[in-house]
Amino acid sequence: GNSVTQMEGPVTLSEEAFLTINCTYTATGYPSLFWYVQYPGEGLQLLLKATKADDKGSNKGFEATYRKETTSFHLEKGSVQVSDSAVYFCAPYNNAGNMLTFGGGTRLMVKP
Amino acid sequence: DAGVTQSPTHLIKTRGQQVTLRCSPKSGHDTVSWYQQALGQGPQFIFQYYEEEERQRGNFPDRFSGHQFPNYSSELNVNALLLGDSALYLCASSLVGGRGSPLHFGNGTRLTVT
Repeated sequence: GNSVTQMEGPVTLSEEAFLTINCTYTATGYPSLFWYVQYPGEGLQLLLKATKADDKGSNKGFEATYRKETTSFHLEKGSVQVSDSAVYFCAPYNNAGNMLTFGGGTRLMVKP
Repeated sequence: DAGVTQSPTHLIKTRGQQVTLRCSPKSGHDTVSWYQQALGQGPQFIFQYYEEEERQRGNFPDRFSGHQFPNYSSELNVNALLLGDSALYLCASSLVGGRGSPLHFGNGTRLTVT
């Protein structure tokens, strides 16, 4: 089965700082890769995705590149905002089964 | 276009009781998955329903059961509740077989077992 390792949080940054959240995965087959974000008291929202090697997913200033050779999908943003404070989950997607595997998530706290 | 809706939003039950949680998928989706998210942890896959049958199951005991209806909506049932069942239960819908077709999540049902 699939598994995910994310950097432990919380990650605390000042507004406009550069963000990197590391994610490595193990998977059978050739998964699609997703980042989901969870704001306090809410469910998970899709942030971005990549479906094949070297694809770059991007949304709302966040980016992640599918690195098959290193089995990684690190999330980056050039300038974070207070409103980006949330928990971020990296998740490989088992295409055969429509199933996501989540790691423990990384809590991001952005201070003004 | 309504997204995934779950009910109720919050629920308090006593140990040993039974609970039913409900989910309506996003319009056009045919597959419903259920996840359990304990406080401070990532969601864990419970099971998935497609064409009214359980298609896949995670590492959860038989106390957890489900159902999918012809209109694609779904229920999650948990019997003989334990304190450890306290969690946020998330429903997600998708289209079967779509590579890169993401799961859309509801806001969850917060279950507290006392």
